[in-house]
Amino acid sequence: IQMTQSPSTLSASVGDRVTITCRASQSIRTWLAWYQQKPGQAPKLLIYKASTLHSGVPSRFSGSGSGTEFTLTIGSLQPDDCATYYCQQCESDSPFTFGQGTNVEIK
Amino acid sequence: EVQVVESGGGLVQPGGSLRLSCAASGFSFNTYAMHWVRQSPGKGLEWVSALSSASHTYYADSVKGRFTISRDSSENTLYLQMNSLRAEDTAVYFCARGDTSMVPYSYFDYWGQGTLVTVSS
Repeated sequence: IQMTQSPSTLSASVGDRVTITCRASQSIRTWLAWYQQKPGQAPKLLIYKASTLHSGVPSRFSGSGSGTEFTLTIGSLQPDDCATYYCQQCESDSPFTFGQGTNVEIK
Repeated sequence: EVQVVESGGGLVQPGGSLRLSCAASGFSFNTYAMHWVRQSPGKGLEWVSALSSASHTYYADSVKGRFTISRDSSENTLYLQMNSLRAEDTAVYFCARGDTSMVPYSYFDYWGQGTLVTVSS
């Protein structure tokens, strides 16, 4: 299963609403997660099962979608949100696949 | 506190071998699936291998037949034995906990900081 994210890079101002899209090459129902990775750090789980917020993740992050189209939304962009965001499907265990990543920058 | 800490990375020649370790603490190691995920320099994430709590193993096609995942429950440690290494295996290797005991339909809820493997002559 191929995962395609858009855009590859996103530049927005503090306080903006930001949306990242992830498309699967076939239906994965809601078996999708989102991760945040900052330079030199390990990825962190943000959202799983397409829309469930992982423990400790700020409520400005939200996820939606099912089937083949999914979105990650940051309700009000903060400076700490500068990072690369990846989607990951787990509908199929062979193999798990990630999107290519979206780099979020502050204008 | 859940922690996973990788070790064992380094420089190895093409065709060589290396064993990575992942020391786990803060949770019941035997009841969770564990995964290895890698990231080539400046690139995205690639899932490598997984081991369920029932000891079922899973591998990416790119490493099947060359890498072996295993665990030592007495030491709360996950391993990745890497043989016949290639230049394209150069990456930071992350150990990650799955959110359930099984591998299918699982997410990676806790990650280590990674260990760098460089395959070069």
